Amino acid sequence: NAGVTQTPKFQVLKTGQSMTLQCAQDMNHEYMSWYRQDPGMGLRLIHYSVGAGITDQGEVPNGYNVSRSTTEDFPLRLLSAAPSQTSVYFCASSYIEADPYGYTFGSGTRLTVV
Amino acid sequence: AQSVTQLDSHVSVSEGTPVLLRCNYSSSYSPSLFWYVQHPNKGLQLLLKYTSAATLVKGINGFEAEFKKSETSFHLTKPSAHMSDAAEYFCVVSLNYGGATNKLIFGTGTLLAVQP
Repeated sequence: NAGVTQTPKFQVLKTGQSMTLQCAQDMNHEYMSWYRQDPGMGLRLIHYSVGAGITDQGEVPNGYNVSRSTTEDFPLRLLSAAPSQTSVYFCASSYIEADPYGYTFGSGTRLTVV
Repeated sequence: AQSVTQLDSHVSVSEGTPVLLRCNYSSSYSPSLFWYVQHPNKGLQLLLKYTSAATLVKGINGFEAEFKKSETSFHLTKPSAHMSDAAEYFCVVSLNYGGATNKLIFGTGTLLAVQP
């Protein structure tokens, strides 16, 4: 099925560990982004990409890295996990950044850092 | 600055009664506005969108929203709530600067509970 696929769905990390959250879309969308969702705060933009080879920071980029080597994939890396990064992470994509038809979201990755 | 405010963090209704979820935005430019729904442990699904066409927008599952520029509001309504409507709802604004782009700004969400 076409859409945005995120893996893993759940992850527990120890403080200081690193990991990569995977995001892939098969809709040929140019724009991809990562959000984190925390209670009472809505979704906040971490990083985004307007096309392969182009990335930029969002509202809360500290502690996260991204790259965009292909149109389809947009992984999010945590270099040294901290408890403050416990959250639910969503990947979203669209044809363009301000797509009037909205974004397509993945089903999320629930990350706990202990 | 651009922002979006969801006036109620929790709303509880009885099944079969009307639903009203309130959203106000602030914007110096003509916005695009969206409502997304998130069911428990699921991703976000687009419910409806306003993109400067008709001010009354109809979405999926019987929801609709009316863009009122004078009130800077985009409230979500449904005439009769169903148990399956229990979820969290996000009002979202996307701004267009005459062809340039911006990122989506999310409200903090309204959790809708539907009582039998």
